[in-house]
Amino acid sequence: SQQGEEDPQALSIQEGENATMNCSYKTSINNLQWYRQNSGRGLVHLILIRSNEREKHSGRLRVTLDTSKKSSSLLITASRAADTASYFCATDAVQAGTALIFGKGTTLSVSS
Amino acid sequence: EPEVTQTPSHQVTQMGQEVILRCVPISNHLYFYWYRQILGQKVEFLVSFYNNEISEKSEIFDDQFSVERPDGSNFTLKIRSTKLEDSAMYFCASTSGISGANVLTFGAGSRLTVL
Repeated sequence: SQQGEEDPQALSIQEGENATMNCSYKTSINNLQWYRQNSGRGLVHLILIRSNEREKHSGRLRVTLDTSKKSSSLLITASRAADTASYFCATDAVQAGTALIFGKGTTLSVSS
Repeated sequence: EPEVTQTPSHQVTQMGQEVILRCVPISNHLYFYWYRQILGQKVEFLVSFYNNEISEKSEIFDDQFSVERPDGSNFTLKIRSTKLEDSAMYFCASTSGISGANVLTFGAGSRLTVL
């Protein structure tokens, strides 16, 4: 399986702190995406990084990709209580067709 | 903003009953997906659908499952004879596929409870 695996499983921080989540995967990929899921809701796309990119920014989000280590990180800066959610990485393997495969997710709790 | 719509939001059924979950993908999207998430666990791929046929399916998607796009707008997932372990949140997703990257738009999900 080439699914992503996030760590930590759970992360609790205070508002204003930065949150870093990591994702590892097993096979070559076309791109890697991060999604957010609020409790009991659907997943929302946050950011995509292609296999030939190393870093990408979107607002308070910063994503890195290291294809040699088959890993990615998602950094949320200056976190807010509204960032409380589960965060999933998703990969599509070069050989596997169009299906995105999701990891187990990191549950982030931001307290005010 | 366009959205993926799923119905019902919650369905309770008896074991062995047939269930149909419905989805209306975004109108100009071409690729459609079903995922499921057992409570508190990972999001699992079930099946992808393109050009009126299944393009990929996981080992979870066995003979008890089927998908259909009956009328050009709806995309349905049918579970023929539900089991207790089918209890989960089922998510429909779609993408245009135009960018070459599969950025999925998800629906809010249908919670299935099998008793």
